[in-house]
Amino acid sequence: GAVVSQHPSWVICKSGTSVKIECRSLDFQATTMFWYRQFPKQSLMLMATSNEGSKATYEQGVEKDKFLINHASLTLSTLTVTSAHPEDSSFYICSARSGTHHSYNEQFFGPGTRLTVL
Amino acid sequence: GDSVTQMEGPVTLSEEACLTINCTYTATGYPSLFWYVQYPGEGLQLLLKATKADDKGSNKGFEATYRKETTSFHLEKGSVQVSDSAVYFCALHHQAGTALIFGKGTTLSVSS
Repeated sequence: GAVVSQHPSWVICKSGTSVKIECRSLDFQATTMFWYRQFPKQSLMLMATSNEGSKATYEQGVEKDKFLINHASLTLSTLTVTSAHPEDSSFYICSARSGTHHSYNEQFFGPGTRLTVL
Repeated sequence: GDSVTQMEGPVTLSEEACLTINCTYTATGYPSLFWYVQYPGEGLQLLLKATKADDKGSNKGFEATYRKETTSFHLEKGSVQVSDSAVYFCALHHQAGTALIFGKGTTLSVSS
């Protein structure tokens, strides 16, 4: 099946710094990528939807100036957590939707990135 | 709004035991329903899905039937293996290509 990678798999940073998380579709073109956040023992909560070449659509309550999303190519989306604070510590997961006919509209998930802000 | 509720875990079973993980949903219309599995250290993988009422999704010995009357999509397996140990997520979406709405996940631990 299609593979989605995330980098880094975990990161620890100091409060006030910015952290960039990459999401790549390795063997297919992703017309849409989704960013989720998961708290311990909680559901995956959608943060934003990004389509290649256009601005991301953020869910209610998600600060777009804090969580910057860029989807500059059909295989790469980035999430930048700006001026991170301890409450931003979480597990961030991306998924990519294939635009190919074979598995049209199926979403493929990355392994997630554990962010810890000290 | 739409939501998914699944049973709290962890679920601990012996090898070859029967498994049922309950999942119910609240949604308008006719959403598509999914079960995803997350093995340790890996991303979520689609396990099975059903797109309309009475459809049965199946894969790797797991089954789930879309029950519109009870708004349920329970995951079942007749004989679990140690390799089935993972976190299982029930999810729905209304329109193909839209984001998924997930349940909280249920951790399954199978011992030999």
